[in-house]
Amino acid sequence: QKEVEQNSGPLSVPEGAIASLNCTYSDRGSQSFFWYRQYSGKSPELIMFIYSNGDKEDGRFTAQLNKASQYVSLLIRDSQPSDSATYLCAVGEGSSASKIIFGSGTRLSIRP
Amino acid sequence: KAGVTQTPRYLIKTRGQQVTLSCSPISGHRSVSWYQQTPGQGLQFLFEYFSETQRNKGNFPGRFSGRQFSNSRSEMNVSTLELGDSALYLCASSQQTGEDEQYFGPGTRLTVT
Repeated sequence: QKEVEQNSGPLSVPEGAIASLNCTYSDRGSQSFFWYRQYSGKSPELIMFIYSNGDKEDGRFTAQLNKASQYVSLLIRDSQPSDSATYLCAVGEGSSASKIIFGSGTRLSIRP
Repeated sequence: KAGVTQTPRYLIKTRGQQVTLSCSPISGHRSVSWYQQTPGQGLQFLFEYFSETQRNKGNFPGRFSGRQFSNSRSEMNVSTLELGDSALYLCASSQQTGEDEQYFGPGTRLTVT
């Protein structure tokens, strides 16, 4: 059973600080990695995707991928109260992303 | 470009009944995936359709089925509903032409009484 592991949190970060969210996965063949943000009562919203080792930056968000360690992370710089949500790590099974396995999510709380 | 749409948004059914949920993907997206989300189990993959064919399937009983039409719209059916089927059912679409990012619809909240 392929798995995606995340710390459930809650992770509490002061406003303006960097929030660091981590995820490990079991499928060595995975090639595609995603981060979704989900507000309570809403559907998941795609915020980052990464396919190659290294860092990928988009605004205040940076995704980091290390395939050798089977580890993917999301950094949120200058955290805002509106970033308070559950962050879901998702990993494509095998070489295709047609089947995606989700972690259980990390609840992030930004305190003013 | 319009996003993924799902209908209905809310549904209340009785045990033993069946239900059909509908999903219209983003224009140009050929793949539709269905997920079940519950507080206890999180987001679980049901199945994925591409070009009217089921390409992947999760670990759900045969009461859960789906199909995809030639215009990429998809339906999901659950027969003989059980109380445990109460959940948020989400559909996501992607292009599947090298760009694999999935975009979710707003979901259908199903309550089984």
